[in-house]
Amino acid sequence: EPEVTQTPSHQVTQMGQEVILRCVPISNHLYFYWYRQILGQKVEFLVSFYNNEISEKSEIFDDQFSVERPDGSNFTLKIRSTKLEDSAMYFCASSELAGGIGETQYFGPGTRLLVL
Amino acid sequence: TQLLEQSPQFLSIQEGENLTVYCNSSSVFSSLQWYRQEPGEGPVLLVTVVTGGEVKKLKRLTFQFGDARKDSSLHITAAQPGDTGLYLCAGLSGGGADGLTFGKGTHLIIQP
Repeated sequence: EPEVTQTPSHQVTQMGQEVILRCVPISNHLYFYWYRQILGQKVEFLVSFYNNEISEKSEIFDDQFSVERPDGSNFTLKIRSTKLEDSAMYFCASSELAGGIGETQYFGPGTRLLVL
Repeated sequence: TQLLEQSPQFLSIQEGENLTVYCNSSSVFSSLQWYRQEPGEGPVLLVTVVTGGEVKKLKRLTFQFGDARKDSSLHITAAQPGDTGLYLCAGLSGGGADGLTFGKGTHLIIQP
């Protein structure tokens, strides 16, 4: 069964460094998403991406963050100048469509980011 | 800001009992998805409901979407220890590439 994959599974970085989190969405899906989950808290939406541009973004997704689809398979989240409070699990998700049953979002296993 | 309230937050019952968890909001959702999440892993989809009043069954799990598409419930019959986990509901408010609004989840423990 097709699944969303993410790399790396764990990332440790120093405060102020840049990190890039990578995702390979399900191959026939058109919509891509990033979420984060701070330890012990609920999953929060960051950004959605369609047709090579950002479709929606939350208040969390400020200028520190950027997303890119550098080729036909990868979808990346870049965090510039990481802060301690960026420590969280980051989940990538994808969906086939944007309506009806096709808007179901499938999640990857996540990248655990720790900023020291 | 849309909110999804899940209840109960924690539930511990004996194997073989039935249980229901709830997901409520004052907002209307175009669809609602239920996930199960294990510690340190991503949410795994259980079901999507899109039509008001819709009922879907997945073995011993029954999911219902409210008529007004503002709430949903998950009923487990004859719970087993393997059902132990965190159950999340998440709603989409409209078309386009909206982000899911997640509830805080129900931590379910089934004791043998």
